[in-house]
Amino acid sequence: DAGVTQSPTHLIKTRGQQVTLRCSPKSGHDTVSWYQQALGQGPQFIFQYYEEEERQRGNFPDRFSGHQFPNYSSELNVNALLLGDSALYLCASSAQGRAYYGYTFGSGTRLTVV
Amino acid sequence: KNEVEQSPQNLTAQEGEFITINCSYSVGISALHWLQQHPGGGIVSLFMLSSGKKKHGRLIATINIQEKHSSLHITASHPRDSAVYICAETNYGGSQGNLIFGKGTKLSVKP
Repeated sequence: DAGVTQSPTHLIKTRGQQVTLRCSPKSGHDTVSWYQQALGQGPQFIFQYYEEEERQRGNFPDRFSGHQFPNYSSELNVNALLLGDSALYLCASSAQGRAYYGYTFGSGTRLTVV
Repeated sequence: KNEVEQSPQNLTAQEGEFITINCSYSVGISALHWLQQHPGGGIVSLFMLSSGKKKHGRLIATINIQEKHSSLHITASHPRDSAVYICAETNYGGSQGNLIFGKGTKLSVKP
């Protein structure tokens, strides 16, 4: 049973470029949440997708956008990259409407903006 | 504003020692999570609890709802327990919530 798969694992981009990160949720999960973790900090919530719609959003600018596909996989897009966007981006999947709200995390994508 | 505070930030222990990591949160929650993050970055969920106490192997998690406080204990610590331990809260509000994380406690267990 595959867990959460994120790709790519590492990425280097230049300031001003755009990037797309991908996440495949755990089998049986239908909700995907994205988090940004700066070095030495706890993860910060970016947004959550369910039924192909953004359901909740954290305090991140519109440069951060996402998408969820019918197979529940998700993409995180960041436009006009800034040096401060360098971080580990984590995807977590979960299942809506279940009595036990567990989360499964991917290993993350480490983005470096130069 | 929801805030999750952890202490200590860094912890060094000798193999075999009993370890306690503390977590305080500021508002009512639906669940409190303890997670483990290794240097590679991946996060593993250890516990999710809304009351009382849970135990898994050498790990024990407790929560006191009235005091808005939770602790993670590791008995007979081992060097393989070295990792960052993160506390996170969820306030579901009737729907799938998101996690609000503490900054983590970096644990190093020396042989």
